[in-house]
Amino acid sequence: QKEVEQDPGPLSVPEGAIVSLNCTYSNSAFQYFMWYRQYSRKGPELLMYTYSSGNKEDGRFTAQVDKSSKYISLFIRDSQPSDSATYLCAMSDTGGFKTIFGAGTRLFVKA
Amino acid sequence: NAGVMQNPRHLVRRRGQEARLRCSPMKGHSHVYWYRQLPEEGLKFMVYLQKENIIDESGMPKERFSAEFPKEGPSILRIQQVVRGDSAAYFCASSRKQGLDEQFFGPGTRLTVL
Repeated sequence: QKEVEQDPGPLSVPEGAIVSLNCTYSNSAFQYFMWYRQYSRKGPELLMYTYSSGNKEDGRFTAQVDKSSKYISLFIRDSQPSDSATYLCAMSDTGGFKTIFGAGTRLFVKA
Repeated sequence: NAGVMQNPRHLVRRRGQEARLRCSPMKGHSHVYWYRQLPEEGLKFMVYLQKENIIDESGMPKERFSAEFPKEGPSILRIQQVVRGDSAAYFCASSRKQGLDEQFFGPGTRLTVL
């Protein structure tokens, strides 16, 4: 079993839709949870970062962490074609630097 | 303020040759991380370095792979006697400080082994 599971998709939605991306994990030591966006042929860029459980909102993006279920989510409201990318969840323990990534979900937002 | 730079962006090697991948961290960053990304897989941590020190290399294959981050110059990931299974995208990231700090990624080097 992988430490972090993420559905690779692809996920195709119409412009304006609400997108829900999810990851599950098995290591209860994880405390820091991140979402990265990766455009084709580019390096990942950090979108959201949360510590422990709870919600965090930034513009059209909301990250949720449910440590009791070992489940994290990223919601994108009013999705745009420019949101089309691969979204990677990532997490680390209290040490911080060793980050474990999910496989990534490919998202296509159709105009 | 330039971001993380990696070169070459694309590298083609024949089986048995050596591959050298370079990473220049962002200005002011002294922590470098190397990751490997295979198709349909996420980024896999390989090694974490600070200037002149390897901090954690638990993700590095035991043979043929080595990394360094000298006092002067870029970090180098070296793969000796490459095999087809080494074909992947290799990403470098850098951060300002140790522990949890945002890692900024470079554009990656795509290695193809013929």
